[in-house]
Amino acid sequence: GDSVTQMEGPVTLSEEAFLTINCTYTATGYPSLFWYVQYPGEGLQLLLKATKADDKGSNKGFEATYRKETTSFHLEKGSVQVSDSAVYFCALIHAGKSTFGDGTTLTVKP
Amino acid sequence: EAGVTQSPTHLIKTRGQQATLRCSPISGHTSVYWYQQALGLGLQFLLWYDEGEERNRGNFPPRFSGRQFPNYSSELNVNALELEDSALYLCASSHRDRFNSPLHFGNGTRLTVT
Repeated sequence: GDSVTQMEGPVTLSEEAFLTINCTYTATGYPSLFWYVQYPGEGLQLLLKATKADDKGSNKGFEATYRKETTSFHLEKGSVQVSDSAVYFCALIHAGKSTFGDGTTLTVKP
Repeated sequence: EAGVTQSPTHLIKTRGQQATLRCSPISGHTSVYWYQQALGLGLQFLLWYDEGEERNRGNFPPRFSGRQFPNYSSELNVNALELEDSALYLCASSHRDRFNSPLHFGNGTRLTVT
């Protein structure tokens, strides 16, 4: 079956540091890939998406590129802020079925 | 556009009781998904409903059940509650007829079993 593997956390960075959270997947067919963010006490919010190979999703300074050759969808941000502290989930959706990674907790210190 | 709404926000039950959680999807969405998120853990897929039918079920015992109503809202029932059922229960909705469309989540119901 489909699976998503995320870089284990927690990840702690200083403000303005560069962020990478790795995500790799296995899937049959052509899934769409997503990053979600969860702030304390809230549900998951869609951060960005990519629907086909080589697509780049971007939002709020975050980016991720759908790499079919390496089955990866790594999340990056050039300069993190304290307000980016949250849990980040990588996910794939194919024909209605969803698969989420275990989540990576990011803490950004001033 | 109103988002996915879940009720109640918090629910406290004792062992052996039954809990009912409710979810209203975004208008126009026909698919509803339920997930369990225990403290400090990731999302565990529970159920997927579309057009009133159960499409997929996660690895949970039969005491976790649900249904989807004609207006696409959904209910999750947990019978014979156990302490380990304490968790945040998240509902999400999506367009079933848009290929690989994203899930939109509610803020969840925090269930505490004492």
